[in-house]
Amino acid sequence: GAGVSQSPRYKVTKRGQDVALRCDPISGHVSLYWYRQALGQGPEFLTYFNYEAQQDKSGLPNDRFSAERPEGSISTLTIQRTEQRDSAMYRCASSYGEDTDTQYFGPGTRLTVL
Amino acid sequence: AQSVTQLDSHVSVSEGTPVLLRCNYSSSYSPSLFWYVQHPNKGLQLLLKYTSAATLVKGINGFEAEFKKSETSFHLTKPSAHMSDAAEYFCVVTPTGGFKTIFGAGTRLFVKA
Repeated sequence: GAGVSQSPRYKVTKRGQDVALRCDPISGHVSLYWYRQALGQGPEFLTYFNYEAQQDKSGLPNDRFSAERPEGSISTLTIQRTEQRDSAMYRCASSYGEDTDTQYFGPGTRLTVL
Repeated sequence: AQSVTQLDSHVSVSEGTPVLLRCNYSSSYSPSLFWYVQHPNKGLQLLLKYTSAATLVKGINGFEAEFKKSETSFHLTKPSAHMSDAAEYFCVVTPTGGFKTIFGAGTRLFVKA
């Protein structure tokens, strides 16, 4: 079956614009995670959904970042008023259950803010 | 609070020699531990995971890791490196019953012919 997909794969935007990044998890996966990965570093946890419930958003850096998963499937990470420091790879992962289950990662969205 | 420390940012080995990638963790609760691999321009793939069963965990491609609670370590090993093992490796911790997954900074493995 299909893996986790993310779109767009690449996004270039100007400072101050809003962007929306989409994640389509593996069908039937309950859990969905968003991460941010700066060049040369490991992924950094942003937020976690169990079905449609956002159970942890402690990793979101500030209130310009938000995420939703309204029907418990596709999720959108939105960054408002983008800044150059937001440039990074944004990765989504899904897992069948919770906590100890294997996370399956999407290919990521490379965001560049000019 | 949880944390993961990968002790080497780069490791270089010759093909056919053993691989050792070191990881130490800190967790307030019984953690689940993982190793993921990231090949250039590809996504993250699970190598193996420890979830409080056997302390020696075998993964894909001949990799294994041993959970040592007394040393708070979860080092990744492979008896004989292959050129295709060249990649970045991440040690990951998740507390049992939790979901805030913490990645280490990564270790880049180079394999020389």
